[in-house]
Amino acid sequence: DTGVSQNPRHKITKRGQNVTFRCDPISEHNRLYWYRQTLGQGPEFLTYFQNEAQLEKSRLLSDRFSAERPKGSFSTLEIQRTEQGDSAMYLCASSRDRTIYEQYFGPGTRLTVT
Amino acid sequence: AQSVTQLGSHVSVSEGALVLLRCNYSSSVPPYLFWYVQYPNQGLQLLLKYTSAATLVKGINGFEAEFKKSETSFHLTKPSAHMSDAAEYFCAVSDDTGTASKLTFGTGTRLQVTL
Repeated sequence: DTGVSQNPRHKITKRGQNVTFRCDPISEHNRLYWYRQTLGQGPEFLTYFQNEAQLEKSRLLSDRFSAERPKGSFSTLEIQRTEQGDSAMYLCASSRDRTIYEQYFGPGTRLTVT
Repeated sequence: AQSVTQLGSHVSVSEGALVLLRCNYSSSVPPYLFWYVQYPNQGLQLLLKYTSAATLVKGINGFEAEFKKSETSFHLTKPSAHMSDAAEYFCAVSDDTGTASKLTFGTGTRLQVTL
Protein backbone atom coordinates (compact mmCIF):
# COMPACT_ATOMS: atom_id res chain seq x y z
CA ASP A 1 0.00 0.00 0.00
CA THR A 2 1.27 3.42 -0.92
CA GLY A 3 -1.03 5.03 1.61
CA VAL A 4 -3.63 7.76 1.37
CA SER A 5 -2.28 10.99 -0.07
CA GLN A 6 -3.75 14.48 0.16
CA ASN A 7 -2.91 17.67 -1.68
CA PRO A 8 -2.12 20.35 -0.90
CA ARG A 9 -0.77 19.83 2.60
CA HIS A 10 -1.32 23.47 3.48
CA LYS A 11 -3.58 26.11 2.02
CA ILE A 12 -3.87 29.73 3.02
CA THR A 13 -6.71 31.65 1.46
CA LYS A 14 -8.58 34.87 1.94
CA ARG A 15 -12.13 34.90 3.16
CA GLY A 16 -14.58 34.60 0.30
CA GLN A 17 -12.28 32.61 -1.98
CA ASN A 18 -12.97 29.07 -3.16
CA VAL A 19 -10.61 26.21 -2.37
CA THR A 20 -10.38 22.62 -3.54
CA PHE A 21 -8.59 19.73 -1.88
CA ARG A 22 -7.72 16.37 -3.37
CA CYS A 23 -7.53 12.94 -1.80
CA ASP A 24 -6.06 9.83 -3.41
CA PRO A 25 -7.11 6.72 -1.48
CA ILE A 26 -5.36 3.39 -1.29
CA SER A 27 -6.01 1.90 -4.69
CA GLU A 28 -8.12 -1.13 -3.76
CA HIS A 29 -10.25 0.72 -1.21
CA ASN A 30 -13.78 1.43 -2.35
CA ARG A 31 -14.81 3.52 0.65
CA LEU A 32 -13.62 7.08 1.10
CA TYR A 33 -14.34 9.42 4.01
CA TRP A 34 -13.78 13.11 4.69
CA TYR A 35 -13.36 14.40 8.24
CA ARG A 36 -12.66 17.85 9.66
CA GLN A 37 -10.49 18.44 12.71
CA THR A 38 -10.31 21.74 14.53
CA LEU A 39 -7.67 22.63 17.10
CA GLY A 40 -7.97 20.59 20.27
CA GLN A 41 -10.76 18.40 18.94
CA GLY A 42 -11.10 14.97 17.46
CA PRO A 43 -11.96 14.55 13.79
CA GLU A 44 -15.61 15.01 12.86
CA PHE A 45 -17.25 13.12 10.02
CA LEU A 46 -18.21 15.17 6.97
CA THR A 47 -19.13 12.79 4.18
CA TYR A 48 -18.63 9.30 2.79
CA PHE A 49 -18.38 7.65 -0.63
CA GLN A 50 -18.90 4.05 -1.62
CA ASN A 51 -17.15 3.91 -4.97
CA GLU A 52 -18.43 7.00 -6.84
CA ALA A 53 -21.68 7.32 -4.87
CA GLN A 54 -21.88 9.85 -2.06
CA LEU A 55 -24.00 7.98 0.45
CA GLU A 56 -23.97 10.13 3.55
CA LYS A 57 -23.38 13.77 4.44
CA SER A 58 -23.06 15.27 7.89
CA ARG A 59 -25.05 18.30 8.97
CA LEU A 60 -21.62 19.94 9.29
CA LEU A 61 -21.44 19.98 5.50
CA SER A 62 -23.13 23.23 4.59
CA ASP A 63 -24.24 24.16 1.09
CA ARG A 64 -20.85 25.82 0.54
CA PHE A 65 -19.19 22.41 0.70
CA SER A 66 -19.26 19.91 -2.13
CA ALA A 67 -17.44 16.63 -2.56
CA GLU A 68 -17.03 14.40 -5.55
CA ARG A 69 -15.44 11.10 -6.36
CA PRO A 70 -15.56 10.65 -10.12
CA LYS A 71 -14.98 7.10 -11.31
CA GLY A 72 -14.64 5.94 -7.73
CA SER A 73 -10.98 6.82 -7.52
CA PHE A 74 -9.67 10.13 -6.14
CA SER A 75 -11.98 12.57 -4.41
CA THR A 76 -12.16 16.34 -4.23
CA LEU A 77 -13.62 18.53 -1.51
CA GLU A 78 -14.48 22.08 -2.52
CA ILE A 79 -15.35 24.91 -0.19
CA GLN A 80 -16.96 27.95 -1.78
CA ARG A 81 -16.91 31.44 -0.28
CA THR A 82 -14.62 30.39 2.55
CA GLU A 83 -15.19 31.75 6.04
CA GLN A 84 -12.75 32.01 8.94
CA GLY A 85 -14.67 29.25 10.68
CA ASP A 86 -13.64 26.89 7.89
CA SER A 87 -10.04 26.98 9.13
CA ALA A 88 -9.25 23.42 10.13
CA MET A 89 -7.41 20.26 9.16
CA TYR A 90 -9.31 18.31 6.51
CA LEU A 91 -8.60 14.60 6.72
CA CYS A 92 -9.34 11.94 4.15
CA ALA A 93 -9.54 8.24 4.97
CA SER A 94 -10.19 5.12 2.95
CA SER A 95 -11.12 1.55 3.72
CA ARG A 96 -12.14 -1.71 2.12
CA ASP A 97 -15.74 -2.86 2.25
CA ARG A 98 -17.70 -3.17 5.47
CA THR A 99 -16.21 -6.46 6.54
CA ILE A 100 -13.05 -4.60 7.46
CA TYR A 101 -13.72 -1.44 9.43
CA GLU A 102 -10.21 -0.15 9.52
CA GLN A 103 -9.87 3.32 8.06
CA TYR A 104 -6.49 4.54 6.84
CA PHE A 105 -5.95 8.26 7.10
CA GLY A 106 -4.02 10.63 4.92
CA PRO A 107 -1.76 13.38 6.30
CA GLY A 108 -4.47 15.99 5.97
CA THR A 109 -4.78 19.43 4.38
CA ARG A 110 -4.50 22.32 6.79
CA LEU A 111 -6.68 25.23 5.68
CA THR A 112 -6.16 28.72 7.06
CA VAL A 113 -8.70 31.36 6.09
CA THR A 114 -7.51 34.92 6.70
CA ALA B 1 -26.30 7.87 18.76
CA GLN B 2 -22.79 6.82 19.57
CA SER B 3 -20.29 8.81 21.58
CA VAL B 4 -16.88 8.50 23.16
CA THR B 5 -15.55 10.21 26.26
CA GLN B 6 -11.85 10.45 26.89
CA LEU B 7 -11.04 11.33 30.47
CA GLY B 8 -8.06 13.61 30.78
CA SER B 9 -7.09 15.89 27.94
CA HIS B 10 -3.44 15.77 29.07
CA VAL B 11 -1.56 12.88 30.66
CA SER B 12 2.08 13.09 31.72
CA VAL B 13 4.19 10.04 32.58
CA SER B 14 7.86 9.40 33.15
CA GLU B 15 9.81 7.36 30.64
CA GLY B 16 9.49 3.70 31.63
CA ALA B 17 6.26 4.22 33.56
CA LEU B 18 2.87 2.69 32.83
CA VAL B 19 0.70 4.51 30.30
CA LEU B 20 -3.07 4.48 30.90
CA LEU B 21 -5.36 6.47 28.64
CA ARG B 22 -9.06 6.24 29.43
CA CYS B 23 -11.95 5.86 27.01
CA ASN B 24 -15.62 5.25 27.75
CA TYR B 25 -18.15 4.73 25.02
CA SER B 26 -21.87 4.95 24.58
CA SER B 27 -23.58 2.86 21.95
CA SER B 28 -27.01 1.32 21.59
CA VAL B 29 -25.63 -1.55 19.51
CA PRO B 30 -22.48 -3.66 19.86
CA PRO B 31 -19.66 -1.25 19.10
CA TYR B 32 -16.46 -1.43 17.17
CA LEU B 33 -13.75 0.50 19.00
CA PHE B 34 -10.48 1.97 17.84
CA TRP B 35 -7.46 3.80 19.17
CA TYR B 36 -5.59 6.10 16.83
CA VAL B 37 -2.41 8.10 17.42
CA GLN B 38 -1.63 11.45 15.81
CA TYR B 39 1.80 13.04 15.71
CA PRO B 40 2.09 16.80 15.11
CA ASN B 41 0.92 17.90 11.66
CA GLN B 42 0.25 14.34 10.58
CA GLY B 43 -2.78 12.18 9.94
CA LEU B 44 -4.03 9.46 12.23
CA GLN B 45 -2.40 6.05 12.56
CA LEU B 46 -4.35 3.06 13.82
CA LEU B 47 -2.95 1.56 17.02
CA LEU B 48 -5.51 -1.18 17.55
CA LYS B 49 -9.15 -2.13 17.08
CA TYR B 50 -11.84 -4.15 18.81
CA THR B 51 -14.37 -5.85 16.53
CA SER B 52 -16.12 -8.27 18.93
CA ALA B 53 -13.47 -10.97 18.93
CA ALA B 54 -11.03 -11.15 21.86
CA THR B 55 -11.69 -8.56 24.55
CA LEU B 56 -7.97 -7.93 25.09
CA VAL B 57 -6.59 -6.40 21.94
CA LYS B 58 -2.91 -6.01 21.22
CA GLY B 59 -1.74 -3.28 18.89
CA ILE B 60 1.40 -1.77 17.49
CA ASN B 61 4.26 -0.24 19.47
CA GLY B 62 3.47 -2.31 22.59
CA PHE B 63 0.01 -0.85 23.19
CA GLU B 64 -3.00 -2.89 24.20
CA ALA B 65 -6.58 -2.22 25.21
CA GLU B 66 -9.27 -4.21 26.99
CA PHE B 67 -12.95 -4.05 26.08
CA LYS B 68 -15.12 -4.13 29.21
CA LYS B 69 -18.79 -4.18 28.34
CA SER B 70 -19.92 -3.91 31.97
CA GLU B 71 -17.94 -0.68 32.35
CA THR B 72 -18.47 0.53 28.76
CA SER B 73 -14.74 1.14 28.65
CA PHE B 74 -11.87 0.58 26.25
CA HIS B 75 -8.81 1.95 28.04
CA LEU B 76 -5.42 2.00 26.31
CA THR B 77 -2.32 0.82 28.17
CA LYS B 78 1.38 0.35 27.64
CA PRO B 79 3.60 -1.14 30.33
CA SER B 80 6.59 1.12 29.76
CA ALA B 81 6.44 4.54 28.15
CA HIS B 82 9.03 5.67 25.62
CA MET B 83 9.83 9.21 24.60
CA SER B 84 8.58 8.43 21.09
CA ASP B 85 5.09 7.74 22.51
CA ALA B 86 4.51 11.45 23.05
CA ALA B 87 1.57 12.29 20.78
CA GLU B 88 -2.19 12.84 20.71
CA TYR B 89 -4.33 9.73 21.16
CA PHE B 90 -7.91 9.39 19.98
CA CYS B 91 -10.49 6.79 20.87
CA ALA B 92 -13.20 6.22 18.28
CA VAL B 93 -16.38 4.18 17.98
CA SER B 94 -18.24 2.79 15.01
CA ASP B 95 -20.98 0.22 14.59
CA ASP B 96 -22.23 -2.35 12.18
CA THR B 97 -25.49 -0.60 11.36
CA GLY B 98 -26.13 1.55 8.32
CA THR B 99 -23.82 1.81 5.39
CA ALA B 100 -21.22 4.34 6.37
CA SER B 101 -19.38 2.84 9.32
CA LYS B 102 -18.20 6.33 10.06
CA LEU B 103 -16.04 6.90 13.10
CA THR B 104 -17.09 9.05 16.04
CA PHE B 105 -14.00 10.33 17.84
CA GLY B 106 -13.33 11.52 21.35
CA THR B 107 -11.67 14.85 21.99
CA GLY B 108 -8.25 13.25 22.40
CA THR B 109 -5.64 12.86 25.11
CA ARG B 110 -2.22 14.43 24.72
CA LEU B 111 0.45 12.16 26.19
CA GLN B 112 3.63 13.78 27.46
CA VAL B 113 6.61 11.58 28.34
CA THR B 114 9.27 13.06 30.60
CA LEU B 115 12.76 11.88 31.46
